[in-house]
Amino acid sequence: LAKTTQPISMDSYEGQEVNITCSHNNIATNDYITWYQQFPSQGPRFIIQGYKTKVTNEVASLFIPADRKSSTLSLPRVSLSDTAVYYCLVGDLSLLSGSARQLTFGSGTQLTVLP
Amino acid sequence: KAGVTQTPRYLIKTRGQQVTLSCSPISGHRSVSWYQQTPGQGLQFLFEYFSETQRNKGNFPGRFSGRQFSNSRSEMNVSTLELGDSALYLCASRGKTNTGELFFGEGSRLTVL
Repeated sequence: LAKTTQPISMDSYEGQEVNITCSHNNIATNDYITWYQQFPSQGPRFIIQGYKTKVTNEVASLFIPADRKSSTLSLPRVSLSDTAVYYCLVGDLSLLSGSARQLTFGSGTQLTVLP
Repeated sequence: KAGVTQTPRYLIKTRGQQVTLSCSPISGHRSVSWYQQTPGQGLQFLFEYFSETQRNKGNFPGRFSGRQFSNSRSEMNVSTLELGDSALYLCASRGKTNTGELFFGEGSRLTVL
């Protein structure tokens, strides 16, 4: 079971780059790393997913070192609307492998963007 | 296309009662997973269903159960409710069987008195 650890909270200012790290020391071979954003009273929303190295999309980058024991979500030039809780999810997403693995969310990082 | 729909959105129960929550996934998605979210414990995985079979299960007592129907809709049931079961229950669906993002509903907020 890939237990994950994230910082509880982070503050940033508008326009800055924010990096949030998630530790997952016992990640398994088939586990993917996915990050979600959650606003109050809403379900989490997908940001980015990766397996190794670096992944980039239109909203974020995900850095995963070779040992895959941690991952870093990078949000470029944050704005006030990026204030939310960010979760990393580590787990074997395969529904066909036959393994009974849990999908483990981190405790979440409350990001507050200040003007 | 329509997103994940959860019903009811809010409900209040008393200790000892049971509750059934419903989740309709995005059309074409065959996987539905359930999560409990509380301020103290964060997002905790309950179980995941795919093609009417439970594929994964979290560390919750047997009072928490679920099922999935042939149309991929899912229900979860909590029996003998306890005060600590008060939480936001979220379900998510996904279309890909290997990776893929989870699409979450807005949740069902359960209050146990």
